[in-house]
Amino acid sequence: AQKITQTQPGMFVQEKEAVTLDCTYDTSDQSYGLFWYKQPSSGEMIFLIYQGSYDEQNATEGRYSLNFQKARKSANLVISASQLGDSAMYFCAMTSGYSTLTFGKGTMLLVSP
Amino acid sequence: GAVVSQHPSRVICKSGTSVKIECRSLDFQATTMFWYRQFPKQSLMLMATSNEGSKATYEQGVEKDKFLINHASLTLSTLTVTSAHPEDSSFYICSASLTGDGSPLHFGNGTRLTVT
Repeated sequence: AQKITQTQPGMFVQEKEAVTLDCTYDTSDQSYGLFWYKQPSSGEMIFLIYQGSYDEQNATEGRYSLNFQKARKSANLVISASQLGDSAMYFCAMTSGYSTLTFGKGTMLLVSP
Repeated sequence: GAVVSQHPSRVICKSGTSVKIECRSLDFQATTMFWYRQFPKQSLMLMATSNEGSKATYEQGVEKDKFLINHASLTLSTLTVTSAHPEDSSFYICSASLTGDGSPLHFGNGTRLTVT
């Protein structure tokens, strides 16, 4: 069984600062994928970044980077230079096998001016 | 990029009626689509996996007779909430996989269902 744990229900950051959202996972599979999604108040789910379990380098997508520490089973999301529009709910998720995503409970990020 | 369209975005219905939600993959063929339910301030919970041309696979605790899923084509899956009750009020969201091998899923914008 897969499990995703996000221990931060809420995070606050000032505009232009960097923030790290924590995510740990548990799986017995050797091959898996880790995802981060952003959910604004409108409800849509926006894909941010993906890390495969065999990827040797940490994934980066613009201001988003994934700090993948396989031995610790962590996949933290780092947002650099936060913007007001980054305020949203962030979900960490994983899949192994055939595409069924398991989500964490999410972290609400609030960016202040 | 790949786009998943979900319709309607909001629907209000009376108890006892049925509501159909559509999920379309606009520029790719999705052999597998997924339906999720999200309660306020909670994570998404997978309801069922919809495979084109075959019966959907429901997660434990999800009533298949209440939440009817049809995946008639490679670009369309529908979720019908039958005999809706106020406790069915929720945010329903679909997603589709491009290749079905764990590649990033693309989500619809979701449907806010309110049952009065």
